[in-house]
Amino acid sequence: SQKIEQNSEALNIQEGKTATLTCNYTNYSPAYLQWYRQDPGRGPVFLLLIRENEKEKRKERLKVTFDTTLKQSLFHITASQPADSATYLCALEGNNRLAFGKGNQVVVIP
Amino acid sequence: EAQVTQNPRYLITVTGKKLTVTCSQNMNHEYMSWYRQDPGLGLRQIYYSMNVEVTDKGDVPEGYKVSRKEKRNFPLILESPSPNQTSLYFCASSLTLAGRNEQFFGPGTRLTVL
Repeated sequence: SQKIEQNSEALNIQEGKTATLTCNYTNYSPAYLQWYRQDPGRGPVFLLLIRENEKEKRKERLKVTFDTTLKQSLFHITASQPADSATYLCALEGNNRLAFGKGNQVVVIP
Repeated sequence: EAQVTQNPRYLITVTGKKLTVTCSQNMNHEYMSWYRQDPGLGLRQIYYSMNVEVTDKGDVPEGYKVSRKEKRNFPLILESPSPNQTSLYFCASSLTLAGRNEQFFGPGTRLTVL
C-alpha cells in the first residue's frame, strides 16, 4: 500500500540551529514533491515544490532535497527562529492528486 | 487579494440534517479539492475537480457530494451528516493539476455533528 511517513514526534530545537525533517514514501513515483507549513487551526501554506529531476531547492532559510532512489525528501530550516514553530507537511503528486503526510511538528526554543 | 474562502467557518449540527459548505476562489484556478483533517490521520482528500463539470473521488468520499457548475465555486454537500463526519474541512485550489502547482487552502470549516 502507499505510505507517506513523517516523524510523529515533535522536533524541539534551539533557536539559531538547523531543523531537519524527513519525509519517506512507499509505492509512489512522484514527479513532484511539495512542503507546506500549518499553524494550529489554520489551512496549510505552501512553502516549496521540487521536481524529480531536481536534487535540491532553496528559498530563503529553507532547503529541500529529493532523492528518488531513497524515496526520501529532507526539509531543512536554517537559523531557526521561534516564529518557525509549526507543523510541516510533505505532499506527493500522483494520479492527478496530492497526498499528504501526517506532518511533523517543530518547536523552536528561544 | 487572491484567496480561497469557505463558509461557514464553524458549524454545529445534528445527525441527518443536510448541510452545504461553500468554497470559492478568485484566482481562476482549474483544480479544486476538499480535504478533511483529523487528529492522527492527517489531511485526507474527499473529492477533487479538475475543471467545470469534472469531479472525482478522493480517498474518503463516502457520505459526501460535490458539484462544480462554475469555475470559482466548489461546494461540499453532506446529505445526511453523521457524527463520524465531525472534522476540520479545508477547501483548496491550484492553477492546474494538484501535484504540479502550489495549493492555496481556505481557512477551514470546523464541523461538529451531534
